Amino acid sequence: GENVEQHPSTLSVQEGDSAVIKCTYSDSASNYFPWYKQELGKRPQLIIDIRSNVGEKKDQRIAVTLNKTAKHFSLHITETQPEDSAVYFCAASETGGSYIPTFGRGTSLIVHP
Amino acid sequence: KAGVTQTPRYLIKTRGQQVTLSCSPISGHRSVSWYQQTPGQGLQFLFEYFSETQRNKGNFPGRFSGRQFSNSRSEMNVSTLELGDSALYLCASSLAFDYEQYFGPGTRLTVT
Repeated sequence: GENVEQHPSTLSVQEGDSAVIKCTYSDSASNYFPWYKQELGKRPQLIIDIRSNVGEKKDQRIAVTLNKTAKHFSLHITETQPEDSAVYFCAASETGGSYIPTFGRGTSLIVHP
Repeated sequence: KAGVTQTPRYLIKTRGQQVTLSCSPISGHRSVSWYQQTPGQGLQFLFEYFSETQRNKGNFPGRFSGRQFSNSRSEMNVSTLELGDSALYLCASSLAFDYEQYFGPGTRLTVT
């Protein structure tokens, strides 16, 4: 089955800095890669996703890049703000047949004011 | 539009009992997925239902089961509860399985 590794497990940055979280996946059939943000005590929320026919996608301060050859994808947050502090999860799945998303273990991002 | 709702929000059960959790998806969403979230194992996929049919299933024992009704509401059942079943159970709905998923607030299950 699919295996998703996520690094780092904890990331501490100063407000205004950039943050990068990386995930690697093992199944070359995976073609859908969402990122979720989960604030303490709240539900996960999709913040950005990318499909395998695209190499990069941006949404304001958030971007995701995908390298299919190397089987890794990354989340980039620029100009971080204290409200970006949360746990971020990546996931990988194959949507053509059975959709069984596999999640990374999460990255706790702490943005210091 | 109302978001995904889950009931109950908190539940305490003892080992050996069974439990049923409920999820009401966003209106118009036909796909409902269930997840288990624990500090040790993270987020794990349980199963996904679409139009009352279970289409996909994660790697969980048969004690975990579910169903979906014609109005897309879904229930998840866990029989013969074990201490290790203590977790936050999340459901998520989407238009179809590969569309954006919207999560509910979760049901916090504690097994004593």
